[in-house]
Amino acid sequence: DGGITQSPKYLFRKEGQNVTLSCEQNLNHDAMYWYRQDPGQGLRLIYYSQIVNDFQKGDIAEGYSVSREKKESFPLTVTSAQKNPTAFYLCASRESYNEQFFGPGTRLTVL
Amino acid sequence: AQTVTQSQPEMSVQEAETVTLSCTYDTSESDYYLFWYKQPPSRQMILVIRQEAYKQQNATENRFSVNFQKAAKSFSLKISDSQLGDAAMYFCAYRRGGGGADGLTFGKGTHLIIQP
Repeated sequence: DGGITQSPKYLFRKEGQNVTLSCEQNLNHDAMYWYRQDPGQGLRLIYYSQIVNDFQKGDIAEGYSVSREKKESFPLTVTSAQKNPTAFYLCASRESYNEQFFGPGTRLTVL
Repeated sequence: AQTVTQSQPEMSVQEAETVTLSCTYDTSESDYYLFWYKQPPSRQMILVIRQEAYKQQNATENRFSVNFQKAAKSFSLKISDSQLGDAAMYFCAYRRGGGGADGLTFGKGTHLIIQP
């Protein structure tokens, strides 16, 4: 089955710790995306990548970092510099000129 | 910058009735795409319908249709014969056209309640 997987589903972090969220896709899509969703808000773009070894900041990139070493994988690191990291994080991918497909999401809670 | 506005935080409709969700957007681009996504309690984002700005014909997908008014920058979603499974958050989204990998700009969503 083709799709996007995100792990873990729930993640807890202590303040001051970095944490990495996984996103893998087997759809052979070139572009991948990370979004953040807060209660009562729509999704906001954190980072996106059009091809391997290239990525661009989105609207709320501060306190986050990404890498794109393989076409299938686009991990997101939430650093200690992110002041309010508790949120729901969604990964997506897209084939050129088509719509984005989303993963099931990761709920991050800072303790 | 592009913005997407959904002015209805919550809507309620009786099962089998028709409901319309509103969305307006602001852009200086002429080539773009508009989308409606559904997010049920599972929080999985599901594409409902998409509209290319260059197409004058309104998109339809079974019970779902849009009213795309390009000059007014309005993109409403009509759900006919509402079903209990339609209960969810609905998000309107915009993406600039062209070959780039630009992300989506979302509205804040409308919570749709279906009354049995």
